[in-house]
Amino acid sequence: AQSVSQHNHHVILSEAASLELGCNYSYGGTVNLFWYVQYPGQHLQLLLKYFSGDPLVKGIKGFEAEFIKSKFSFNLRKPSVQWSDTAEYFCAVSSNSGNTPLVFGKGTRLSVIA
Amino acid sequence: KAGVTQTPRYLIKTRGQQVTLSCSPISGHRSVSWYQQTPGQGLQFLFEYFSETQRNKGNFPGRFSGRQFSNSRSEMNVSTLELGDSALYLCASSYREVYNSPLHFGNGTRLTVT
Repeated sequence: AQSVSQHNHHVILSEAASLELGCNYSYGGTVNLFWYVQYPGQHLQLLLKYFSGDPLVKGIKGFEAEFIKSKFSFNLRKPSVQWSDTAEYFCAVSSNSGNTPLVFGKGTRLSVIA
Repeated sequence: KAGVTQTPRYLIKTRGQQVTLSCSPISGHRSVSWYQQTPGQGLQFLFEYFSETQRNKGNFPGRFSGRQFSNSRSEMNVSTLELGDSALYLCASSYREVYNSPLHFGNGTRLTVT
C-alpha cells in the first residue's frame, strides 16, 4: 500500500521568502502525484498534479513541484511567498495501476508573516 | 457548475448515538470518496463508491459505513459514536472513469462527539 510522508508539520516564513515543502512517498509502481491546499475556512483545492512527462510541473498561484523518481519525492516550491499563501498543504499519491484510493500525507501548515 | 455539497456543516452528538452525513457530488461525477480529517493525522481514507458499489475501503472499524444512490449522492453512517470520532468528515467526487482524475472536495461536516 502507498504511504506519504511530509517532513515539516509547521513552517513559518516571512513574506518574499522562498518555500520548499518536502513530500516522499512509498510505492514501487507508477504513481500519480498531487498537492492540495486548504486555506483557512475553505475546502481543499488542487494546487497541481503530476501524471507523466516533464517532472517539473507548474500549478496555480506560482507554485511548482518536481518529481524525482529516484528519491520517491515530489517537493513543492514557490520562489516568493505571500501572506495569502498561509494555509495547510497536503501531498497525495495514487497508484497508476488501477483502482486504489488517493492517499494523503499528514499535511504541512504554512504561516507567512509580514 | 455547483461544487460538492455536504450536509450538515456541523453536528454535535453524544457517545453511543449514531449519525448520518450526506454528500452531493458535482454533476456528472460518479465517484464519491470519504475522508476523516483530524489535527496531526491529516486525511485518512474511509471509503470510495462508484456507481453505487463500494470500490475501496480504508482501515476503519465496521461502525463506519456508507452507501451511494443511483443519482451518485452518498451518505456515510457512524454508529455507536465514540469521542475519538470527533473530526471533520470530507467528501470528494471525481470522474473515476479517468483513473487519475483529481478529487473535488466539499467543505466538510464537522462532527463533535461529547
